[in-house]
Amino acid sequence: SAVISQKPSRDICQRGTSLTIQCQVDSQVTMMFWYRQQPGQSLTLIATANQGSEATYESGFVIDKFPISRPNLTFSTLTVSNMSPEDSSIYLCSVGREVGEQFFGPGTRLTVL
Amino acid sequence: QKEVEQNSGPLSVPEGAIASLNCTYSDRGSQSFFWYRQYSGKSPELIMSIYSNGDKEDGRFTAQLNKASQYVSLLIRDSQPSDSATYLCAVKPVNDYKLSFGAGTTVTVRA
Repeated sequence: SAVISQKPSRDICQRGTSLTIQCQVDSQVTMMFWYRQQPGQSLTLIATANQGSEATYESGFVIDKFPISRPNLTFSTLTVSNMSPEDSSIYLCSVGREVGEQFFGPGTRLTVL
Repeated sequence: QKEVEQNSGPLSVPEGAIASLNCTYSDRGSQSFFWYRQYSGKSPELIMSIYSNGDKEDGRFTAQLNKASQYVSLLIRDSQPSDSATYLCAVKPVNDYKLSFGAGTTVTVRA
């Protein structure tokens, strides 16, 4: 499986600010995803990061709030914009294979004050 | 109806016992099924993949799939305290590249 890294691993941010999370993979992958996991909850898919085109967002998530970039097949960023305490969560990137397997990065723990 | 449902936890088992985790799914055409283990404060780790009916064994883990009953399970034999974690069932629906995750079952193995 691919080696996936995320930066930052954790951050504490002020309300109204934005944070950009980076996801780096050690090999080229077609499918990359961004998830949110709130405390004690399962994974919620935010969007699929498409290389060279706009991300595909799930219901309840919009580009203005969660802009995503995917400049190449090994890198993606997720920005959490105009943050509120409700955005406090763990944000995870994953890479996927055609058969459906996904492998997750270590996550970014975000706290918004 | 949720797409993927797991038996509610938490599940507490004594060390050395068998832990049995169950998962049902709603999309009859689903083709790929996965079990993830997530330790507290860590990201999910893929531990089992199963694609056809029957049993698949990997060490102390056995995944069982019954597509007719839309049911997939995970057995952990000889449970160890290191198996204490939340286990997530994930299903790849037909004609979709995304996974649907269950809510997870938290397992505690008591020494």
